[in-house]
Order: sequence, then C-alpha cells, then structure tokens
Amino acid sequence: QSALTQPASVSGSPGQSITISCTGTSSDVGGYNYVSWYQQHPGKAPKLMIYEVSNRPSGVSNRFSGSKSGNTASLTISGLQAEDEADYYCSSYTSSSRGVFGGGTKLTVL
Amino acid sequence: EVQLVESGGGLIQPGGSLRLSCAASGFTVSSNYMSWVRQAPGKGLEWVSVIYSGGSTYYADSVKGRFTISRDNSKNTLYLRMNSLRAEDTAVYYCARGIVVGAFDIWGQGTMVTVSS
Repeated sequence: QSALTQPASVSGSPGQSITISCTGTSSDVGGYNYVSWYQQHPGKAPKLMIYEVSNRPSGVSNRFSGSKSGNTASLTISGLQAEDEADYYCSSYTSSSRGVFGGGTKLTVL
Repeated sequence: EVQLVESGGGLIQPGGSLRLSCAASGFTVSSNYMSWVRQAPGKGLEWVSVIYSGGSTYYADSVKGRFTISRDNSKNTLYLRMNSLRAEDTAVYYCARGIVVGAFDIWGQGTMVTVSS
C-alpha cells in the first residue's frame, strides 16, 4: 500500500487561509468517504481534526474544514493562527481493510 | 478519563522480539477497533496494524508475518508482538482508538522501539 501524496510544506500568514491536498487512488481516497486529517506538534501524539472527509470532532475549531473530489482530499485552515503551525497528515481506509497515511505536510505560519 | 498508555518499548538487537502493551481506561477495548501506528525518527506516520471489534486483524505489508496484534479483554489491554525485528522497525509506536472507519480519536503517548546492535 503506497502512502498518500501530500505536499511537503505549505505556509501562510496569520489570518490567511491555506489548503493541503492529499492524493490517493480509487482503492483508498477515491473509493471511500473515510478520509481523516491529523495535526501533530513536535514531540506530541497526533490529534484528530477531521474524519469521514468533512466531519469535525467535538472541540476542533470550525476554522478547519475538509473536502474531497475524486481521488484527492483537501484540508483547509482559515484564519491562520500561530498555534496552527504543525505537521498535518491525511489518512484513508483502503480496499484491503487496512489504513494508509500521507507523507505529511509541514505548515509554517509566517 | 479516556486514555491509552503504552509500555514495553526499548533497545533490542536485530532479530529479537518485543511485546508492546497499550492499557486502556475509560472505555472498552473490545468494543472498538484499535490500531498501532508508528513513526520513525524524523519521519511521517505509518499505519501498522488493526484489530476490529469482531476480532479480524490486518497488517501493513512491511510487518506482515512478523508482527501480531491482539487484545486481552479481561485486562482491557491491546498488544503488539513484534518478532524478527529489523533496524527499519525503529520508531515511536502509538496505539490508537478508532471511532469510525479510518479515524482515530484517542492516542497513547507512544513508546520508543530502537532496533540496533
């Protein structure tokens, strides 16, 4: 199972919006609405930000939103804040009943 | 409080074996699907294994045949038995609770496994 494809890095200024893409295949991202997004700060465990493509867990800011088109999912963060600086990972359920993560994207808030 | 606490990591020689434990509190392991995810130093997350509530298990190709996921319902604990360890298995290993397919809402703090001679 190959890792999902994410950009290595993205950046934005406070208050701006950024979008991180996550590209897979019809056997994972494109085949199921089971895409999740995680935020990870250095030395910490990942935190679930989005599940089932666009659902936010309780307690996650509505500045975070998710979407999907074909084999590509996207995470959008609006109104960037300094504390959003972190690594972001997408993940998907796959046709083999396993999971797969993206390579991760480092978000820098300028 | 809902939480997961991993243990069992350490330094092990190539070819050796190790068993990781993940003790759950605040919820029942057997009623959820549970996974192990690892992260090599400076690298991204890698999905390792899953055990569904019905008992079905699946593994990443990189560990299939060497790792075994299991749970002890009486101890409310998840395990990962790792055999024939290789240098490339060096990573922080996290256990995580699945809420819906593909989504993990509770993560442990991680336990470091170092495979080196």
